[in-house]
Amino acid sequence: DGGITQSPKYLFRKEGQNVTLSCEQNLNHDAMYWYRQDPGQGLRLIYYSQIVNDFQKGDIAEGYSVSREKKESFPLTVTSAQKNPTAFYLCASSRSAQGQSPLHFGNGTRLTVT
Amino acid sequence: GQQLNQSPQSMFIQEGEDVSMNCTSSSIFNTWLWYKQDPGEGPVLLIALYKAGELTSNGRLTAQFGITRKDSFLNISASIPSDVGIYFCAGLQGAQKLVFGQGTRLTINP
Repeated sequence: DGGITQSPKYLFRKEGQNVTLSCEQNLNHDAMYWYRQDPGQGLRLIYYSQIVNDFQKGDIAEGYSVSREKKESFPLTVTSAQKNPTAFYLCASSRSAQGQSPLHFGNGTRLTVT
Repeated sequence: GQQLNQSPQSMFIQEGEDVSMNCTSSSIFNTWLWYKQDPGEGPVLLIALYKAGELTSNGRLTAQFGITRKDSFLNISASIPSDVGIYFCAGLQGAQKLVFGQGTRLTINP
């Protein structure tokens, strides 16, 4: 079945370490996104990519980095510069970055930094 | 960043009751989406609305795109235990700039 796969489901890191979250999709979607979700809040956009080798900052990009070397992959690195990295991270994709294509989400990675 | 005003924040109902929730904004959106999220999972798309005034159903779920393009509502009829979860509205303002509401947490007493 086609879908979006995020791994790992749970991730634990020590403060000061960079960590990379994986997101893979086999839907042949052009656009991919990373969102952060904190308790009691809606989703906030970190980065998005409309096409391979191109990406843009979202509303809360500071302390994060991404790459889009392949259409199906959009990894997110949480750097040590991110002041409050513990959160639930959601990856999404959509058929097109233009028009009105709905976003489809993966099942998330819960990152805990101590 | 901009967020939508979603209400109520939480609902406690009896099984079999109908549910209504809504989202409002001061900005115009060209697409409204409704998602459901189960604990520890990603949001799942329930209904997508593309035209002002559009009324769309998906089983027991009905959603409408407000005429002013600044609001949307979601109704669930005859609720069942598996309807429990958090419901999010999201508005799209071109170029995939999706803005989310803060969610409505639905709890159902059997």
